[in-house]
Amino acid sequence: GPKVLQIPSHQIIDMGQMVTLNCDPVSNHLYFYWYKQILGQQMEFLVNFYNGKVMEKSKLFKDQFSVERPDGSYFTLKIQPTALEDSAVYFCASSFTGNSDYTFGSGTRLLVI
Amino acid sequence: GQQVQQSPASLVLQEGENAELQCNFSTSLNSMQWFYQRPGGSLVSLFYNPSGTKHSGRLTSTTVIKERRSSLHISSSQTTDSGTYLCALEPNTGNYKYVFGAGTRLKVIA
Repeated sequence: GPKVLQIPSHQIIDMGQMVTLNCDPVSNHLYFYWYKQILGQQMEFLVNFYNGKVMEKSKLFKDQFSVERPDGSYFTLKIQPTALEDSAVYFCASSFTGNSDYTFGSGTRLLVI
Repeated sequence: GQQVQQSPASLVLQEGENAELQCNFSTSLNSMQWFYQRPGGSLVSLFYNPSGTKHSGRLTSTTVIKERRSSLHISSSQTTDSGTYLCALEPNTGNYKYVFGAGTRLKVIA
């Protein structure tokens, strides 16, 4: 079936540096999401995005986080600057409508050292 | 409190046994999906099932809206079924996002 592609699959970065996580959603999907999962813990909602705008962000979506999808290219999550507690797996998802099934990517494993 | 509660938290089965995983929710919902999370972390969609019963091979999902619960039945379990099963739902609050349960960690032994 259709897939969500996440690049890179793994990233190690020094604390304080900037990182950009890339997501290529399913081609006809209109809604995009980022989730965060710390090792061994629950999947947590970060942010959703539709029509070029953030619809809702959770308390986990710190001021250092930003999302964008310039001109239908990758849907990106940028963290600047990174902190140790940002180490987690970040999952991107997309859906055609706001209440249809979601397709998830395989995740980007981010380690901040 | 927790909007999505999954039970049991963990389960060990002998190969060939059946399993019933539960997902209870405290809110009305727009959407509901069951996922399998591989030991490596990636998610596989099992069912999009906001209501009723769906079948796929050895898996059956039943969502009963009025009782605010959904179940995932695994028949004739295999060692390859080992992993974490996640229930996710979109509450009927007008905000488009999934809320995940904590998952059921299943181990099937030969």
